[in-house]
Amino acid sequence: AQSVAQPEDQVNVAEGNPLTVKCTYSVSGNPYLFWYVQYPNRGLQFLLKYITGDNLVKGSYGFEAEFNKSQTSFHLKKPSALVSDSALYFCAVRVSGNTPLVFGKGTRLSVIA
Amino acid sequence: DVKVTQSSRYLVKRTGEKVFLECVQDMDHENMFWYRQDPGLGLRLIYFSYDVKMKEKGDIPEGYSVSREKKERFSLILESASTNQTSMYLCASTRRTGNSRANVLTFGAGSRLTVL
Repeated sequence: AQSVAQPEDQVNVAEGNPLTVKCTYSVSGNPYLFWYVQYPNRGLQFLLKYITGDNLVKGSYGFEAEFNKSQTSFHLKKPSALVSDSALYFCAVRVSGNTPLVFGKGTRLSVIA
Repeated sequence: DVKVTQSSRYLVKRTGEKVFLECVQDMDHENMFWYRQDPGLGLRLIYFSYDVKMKEKGDIPEGYSVSREKKERFSLILESASTNQTSMYLCASTRRTGNSRANVLTFGAGSRLTVL
């Protein structure tokens, strides 16, 4: 069975500092990995995905994520956090074709001015 | 701009009522999904559908049913609402063609249901 874990329920970071939101995965096979963001009272919005190739993936709003096969991780990063980045972030994985995404439990990011 | 529209943003229902949550997408997507979102539990898959009149159970189908009579519409039905079904419900859709593993889900804004 495939799963993702987001070990931190909450991440706090000062505005202007780099941020990292952690995600690890457990799959049998090659994973396709996704990050989504949810702003208050909104649905989830796609940020970025890893399919194959370059381990560093760039996405929307200046976010990027690094795929690390040996550590089975796909951490979300941003060099300089903004207050407007404060939201709920979800990591998700899919292994087999046309199967539903499996989501982590989410990490709430708070960026403090 | 492509959209997934959930007809009700906020609903308040009483225990035992039958509840319909409607979802419509305008992207001609084959696949549609219903997730439930609860604090600390993340998103859990209730039901999904790969085509008209097709449905598959997700991880937590108990107490729910679905209907997909048209490609663009996927309805979630709570036959007899209970207080433990108070939650945020999220509908999503995606294309089935191409590299389906890489296809991105498009979500609606969510329907927050309170059952009293």
